[in-house]
Amino acid sequence: SQTIHQWPATLVQPVGSPLSLECTVEGTSNPNLYWYRQAAGRGLQLLFYSVGIGQISSEVPQNLSASRPQDRQFILSSKKLLLSDSGFYLCAWNHHGAGTGELFFGEGSRLTVL
Amino acid sequence: SQQGEEDPQALSIQEGENATMNCSYKTSINNLQWYRQNSGRGLVHLILIRSNEREKHSGRLRVTLDTSKKSSSLLITASRAADTASYFCATDAPGAQKLVFGQGTRLTINP
Repeated sequence: SQTIHQWPATLVQPVGSPLSLECTVEGTSNPNLYWYRQAAGRGLQLLFYSVGIGQISSEVPQNLSASRPQDRQFILSSKKLLLSDSGFYLCAWNHHGAGTGELFFGEGSRLTVL
Repeated sequence: SQQGEEDPQALSIQEGENATMNCSYKTSINNLQWYRQNSGRGLVHLILIRSNEREKHSGRLRVTLDTSKKSSSLLITASRAADTASYFCATDAPGAQKLVFGQGTRLTINP
């Protein structure tokens, strides 16, 4: 069966520090991968998605970036965090070719920027 | 920009009652999905309804889709305390490989 892992689950970072959130999927190959951000009590904002290694689509201009160094690994990064980067970050995947089919979510990474 | 918008933003009912949440969207879609999120957790897929379908059932869930009105509803029958969660609709953007989520409805079931 397929599983998705996100880490770290929680982190507190000072303004201006770097960020790296990791997401890996097991049990499938060539998945579509997604990073969403959720502000407190709000909906999900799509940040990045990838349909293959090295293929990243950015949805929102900001100081975040994403990379897909391996087929089932998706990394969200920042060189210098802003206060507004605080939030709940969710990684998700679905089957390649499913396009907008069912998404499978990780448990999330809660980021607090102070 | 947001595609789906849920209504109401918050709903509180007594256990055993039915809960109805609505979703409106702006552009044509291939499918519409509903997800559930327990506090502080990831989202879990509930049901998918395709644009050529009008109604779908899954256990105590009933979803309807009216493409002429660009709206959908999620009905949870015989609610339980464990149904307390936020519920989101998600729609696909035409021609794109992504889902866009609404702001969600926070459902509270009072025992």
